[in-house]
Amino acid sequence: AQSVTQPDIHITVSEGASLELRCNYSYGATPYLFWYVQSPGQGLQLLLKYFSGDTLVQGIKGFEAEFKRSQSSFNLRKPSVHWSDAAEYFCAVREPNFGNEKLTFGTGTRLTIIP
Amino acid sequence: DTGVSQDPRHKITKRGQNVTFRCDPISEHNRLYWYRQTLGQGPEFLTYFQNEAQLEKSRLLSDRFSAERPKGSFSTLEIQRTEQGDSAMYLCASSNRGETQYFGPGTRLLVL
Repeated sequence: AQSVTQPDIHITVSEGASLELRCNYSYGATPYLFWYVQSPGQGLQLLLKYFSGDTLVQGIKGFEAEFKRSQSSFNLRKPSVHWSDAAEYFCAVREPNFGNEKLTFGTGTRLTIIP
Repeated sequence: DTGVSQDPRHKITKRGQNVTFRCDPISEHNRLYWYRQTLGQGPEFLTYFQNEAQLEKSRLLSDRFSAERPKGSFSTLEIQRTEQGDSAMYLCASSNRGETQYFGPGTRLLVL
């Protein structure tokens, strides 16, 4: 069964500093990979996704992520965070086969921004 | 396109009562998914529909839970005889061809 690990439960970053959130997955082949963001009490907003091709993907709000097959990782990065980036971030995977479409999520990383 | 909508946004009920949640997907999205999210955890898959057919159900979906999508448009999730352990955020998502799921704002359930 596939699984996702987000090793950092909580990260605190100064506004304007760079950010990297880690995500590792366990799956036999290359899954579809996603990053979602959730503000308190809200649903999930898609930041970016990777299906195949270029391993560096760009998303919304200035985020990017890099797929590294050798490390089974899909880390999320942003060069300069803004106070509005404070939220919970979830990495998710699903099998690349139609008909098996459930997303498996990590436990999330809570991001706090300090002035 | 309007996004995925869910109703109600919040529900407080007493243990043993039945509750029903509604999800309206993005128009023309033929796939609809339900997830449950407890405090401090990521969402967990419950079930999904392609049009009106329910194609997969998680073992989390006990016999007290039932989901329908009668006309392939909106969906309802009913929980019978609610228990305190059912307290969670219930999230709905939809997709066009099954690749990318777009989530609604969720329904937060509190069982007293």
